[in-house]
Amino acid sequence: DAGVIQSPRHEVTEMGQEVTLRCKPISGHDYLFWYRQTMMRGLELLIYFNNNVPIDDSGMPEDRFSAKMPNASFSTLKIQPSEPRDSAVYFCASTRRGQGYGYTFGSGTRLTVV
Amino acid sequence: GESVGLHLPTLSVQEGDNSIINCAYSNSASDYFIWYKQESGKGPQFIIDIRSNMDKRQGQRVTVLLNKTVKHLSLQIAATQPGDSAVYFCAENMNDYKLSFGAGTTVTVRA
Repeated sequence: DAGVIQSPRHEVTEMGQEVTLRCKPISGHDYLFWYRQTMMRGLELLIYFNNNVPIDDSGMPEDRFSAKMPNASFSTLKIQPSEPRDSAVYFCASTRRGQGYGYTFGSGTRLTVV
Repeated sequence: GESVGLHLPTLSVQEGDNSIINCAYSNSASDYFIWYKQESGKGPQFIIDIRSNMDKRQGQRVTVLLNKTVKHLSLQIAATQPGDSAVYFCAENMNDYKLSFGAGTTVTVRA
């Protein structure tokens, strides 16, 4: 398996622009998580899905952030409009019920908003 | 070498020595704990896990100890190698499959 695949690896955008981050989970995994990592706040859970349904979005910072999972093999995290404080590394992770809590993380998208 | 997690987020250890990384968790109801390793430029990677009904679990060169009385978790790495240089995170299960991560400890292995 190729693991969890995220794209793009790096994104530089101007403040006010829309940003879309993409994730392909491991085939057969029914949980998908979006995390944000910064030096100040560490790893923060933004939202997670089970069987393509959002279960907990309490970590989404504000209405500028939205996430979708239209099918079992694809998810997006969108920021509109982006702001400099959104600069961070965004990770997607997946796991399968019964496999335990050891997520498989993707390599992340480093977002820089200037 | 030994760290105290959030209060001392870096650990320098001589190659070949044993490392001990500590973590204090917050939720006494957590039933599952995991250690992750994150190398520079990569996502966190699962190392080892332990259920709350256990005190100790061993893997290859790693041992996790759980003390529920004081809500403390530790990761011991035997014969630390240069490839062990990374940031180590503990995580606890909050509910369903939701994990809460600690701040992380940076381990640097000296040759």
